[in-house]
Amino acid sequence: AQSVTQPDARVTVSEGASLQLRCKYSYFGTPYLFWYVQYPRQGLQLLLKYYPGDPVVQGVNGFEAEFSKSNSSFHLRKASVHWSDWAVYFCAVSPGTQVVGQLTFGRGTRLQVYA
Amino acid sequence: DAGVTQTPRHEVAEKGQTIILKCEPVSGHNDLFWYRQTKIQGLELLSYFRSKSLMEDGGAFKDRFKAEMLNSSFSTLKIQPTEPKDSAVYLCASSHWGSAETLYFGSGTRLTVL
Repeated sequence: AQSVTQPDARVTVSEGASLQLRCKYSYFGTPYLFWYVQYPRQGLQLLLKYYPGDPVVQGVNGFEAEFSKSNSSFHLRKASVHWSDWAVYFCAVSPGTQVVGQLTFGRGTRLQVYA
Repeated sequence: DAGVTQTPRHEVAEKGQTIILKCEPVSGHNDLFWYRQTKIQGLELLSYFRSKSLMEDGGAFKDRFKAEMLNSSFSTLKIQPTEPKDSAVYLCASSHWGSAETLYFGSGTRLTVL
């Protein structure tokens, strides 16, 4: 069975600092990986998605993520954090396209940004 | 285009009551999902419909949770009877088959069971 681990429940950074949110996945085979963001009192929104190919994927609002098969990781990065990035970030894994019902989410990492 | 609409935004129920949560997916989407979100368990899949057919009913949630999709533009989630442990945010999401896991989520219904 597939699974996702986000080891950091909470991350606090100052505005303008760089950011990395960690994600480790478990899946036998080639996974499809996603980052979703949940702003306060809203549903989740897709930030970016990885399909087999280029390991670095670009998302919205300056976010990017890098897939590493050797480390079973899909970490999210941003060069300079803005206060509006304060949200909960979810990593998710799927065995492939056309099987959306098997999307598995991590527990989420709450990002707090201070001035 | 309208996104996923969920009503009500908040629901307070007494233990043992029946509550019905509503969801309108994005127009034209084939897949619809119900998730439960809690701080302890995170996101748990309750039900998954494809073209109105129930594909997955979330195993552990079968006994008191029932999701239905009467037509392609409306779904309900019934919890009967409610228990305090059902207090959570219930999220509905939809997707177009073949769009590769891009789920569109509603803002959720926050349920409190007293």
